[in-house]
Amino acid sequence: GDSVTQMEGPVTLSEEAFLTINCTYTATGYPSLFWYVQYPGEGLQLLLKATKADDKGSNKGFEATYRKETTSFHLEKGSVQVSDSAVYFCALSDRANFGNEKLTFGTGTRLTIIP
Amino acid sequence: GAVVSQHPSRVICKSGTSVKIECRSLDFQATTMFWYRQFPKKSLMLMATSNEGSKATYEQGVEKDKFLINHASLTLSTLTVTSAHPEDSSFYICSARTGTITHPSTDTQYFGPGTRLTVL
Repeated sequence: GDSVTQMEGPVTLSEEAFLTINCTYTATGYPSLFWYVQYPGEGLQLLLKATKADDKGSNKGFEATYRKETTSFHLEKGSVQVSDSAVYFCALSDRANFGNEKLTFGTGTRLTIIP
Repeated sequence: GAVVSQHPSRVICKSGTSVKIECRSLDFQATTMFWYRQFPKKSLMLMATSNEGSKATYEQGVEKDKFLINHASLTLSTLTVTSAHPEDSSFYICSARTGTITHPSTDTQYFGPGTRLTVL
């Protein structure tokens, strides 16, 4: 079945540091890939997405590139801020089940940015 | 756009009682809604998929008689936890997707803020 593996947290960085959160996946079809962010006390928000190989999703300074050859979708940001502290979830939606796509989530990575 | 609300945001109930959680898409029609459960420091576990006007599809291991899902309109789905017990205490999250069943406009799901259920 489908699965998503993301790096274990928690991750603690200083402000303005470079961020990478690794995410790899296995899927039977041709998935869309997502990063969701959950700020303290809030629900999940879509951060970025990519729907096919070599697509790059970007938002709020975050980027992730859909790498089919390595089945990866690593999240990066060049200079993190305290406000980026949150839990980040990598997810996939397998479009092989057209019309009944379900999201499969990774376990989440808690990120804390220190001033 | 694409805002999903949940009500209540937090509920405390006694063991044996039933609790209803509402999920609404505020500015779009949601043909499909999903219900998740999130355990502390864990990922989201999909409980069921709900298509408007039809019965929900439950994931393996989820008791359909305990977690009743109703999706009566294109903007509202409800989850009722029947005869709740302390082990049902969790964070319940819904999401909604736009488009029609045969032609979903996107596979992006929009999430509600979640409902914290505590069963005493």
